[in-house]
Amino acid sequence: RKEVEQDPGPFNVPEGATVAFNCTYSNSASQSFFWYRQDCRKEPKLLMSVYSSGNEDGRFTAQLNRASQYISLLIRDSKLSDSATYLCVVAGTYKYIFGTGTRLKVLA
Amino acid sequence: NAGVTQTPKFRVLKTGQSMTLLCAQDMNHEYMYWYRQDPGMGLRLIHYSVGEGTTAKGEVPDGYNVSRLKKQNFLLGLESAAPSQTSVYFCASKNPGQGLGTDTQYFGPGTRLTVL
Repeated sequence: RKEVEQDPGPFNVPEGATVAFNCTYSNSASQSFFWYRQDCRKEPKLLMSVYSSGNEDGRFTAQLNRASQYISLLIRDSKLSDSATYLCVVAGTYKYIFGTGTRLKVLA
Repeated sequence: NAGVTQTPKFRVLKTGQSMTLLCAQDMNHEYMYWYRQDPGMGLRLIHYSVGEGTTAKGEVPDGYNVSRLKKQNFLLGLESAAPSQTSVYFCASKNPGQGLGTDTQYFGPGTRLTVL
């Protein structure tokens, strides 16, 4: 079983739609959780950290469920510019473990 | 600040050749990392360093060596390149976590390496 698992997609959604991604992790001792965004052939960039209480940044909402060991990302009112691959990241003291990513395509 | 930079951006090698990839960061970060990214595989950790003069193996270290002689630089070496090392290599850096969301990794733009 992979340490971090994501549905690879692609998720094809129309502009304005709401879309949600989930990610599961296997190491219950994991300390920090993030969503990164990666555009084609570019480096990953931090989208948002994920806190146990849930957190929101504009149209993006992230949730962490430690008991079930999953992380979610909700994108509301999707824009064409949201098209990218979204990487779920689970971190320990030193290392980050990356999921393989979920591709999102927002269609006009 | 330039952030994290990588040299070179592209390189083509023949099997058996050697090369060094350079990563430099100007954020005074303690930790530095080398990853490779292959289609369908996600980012996999090759080696990492938690401070000047220290290095440690990651998930896929075979065929690579690293050095961290200066805090701001992290070098990745391929002594005898193989076609299986064709990949995109990303360097990243961060500081030790000091609270929620403060231990973000920052990535360089990547090096695209092809081994023929």
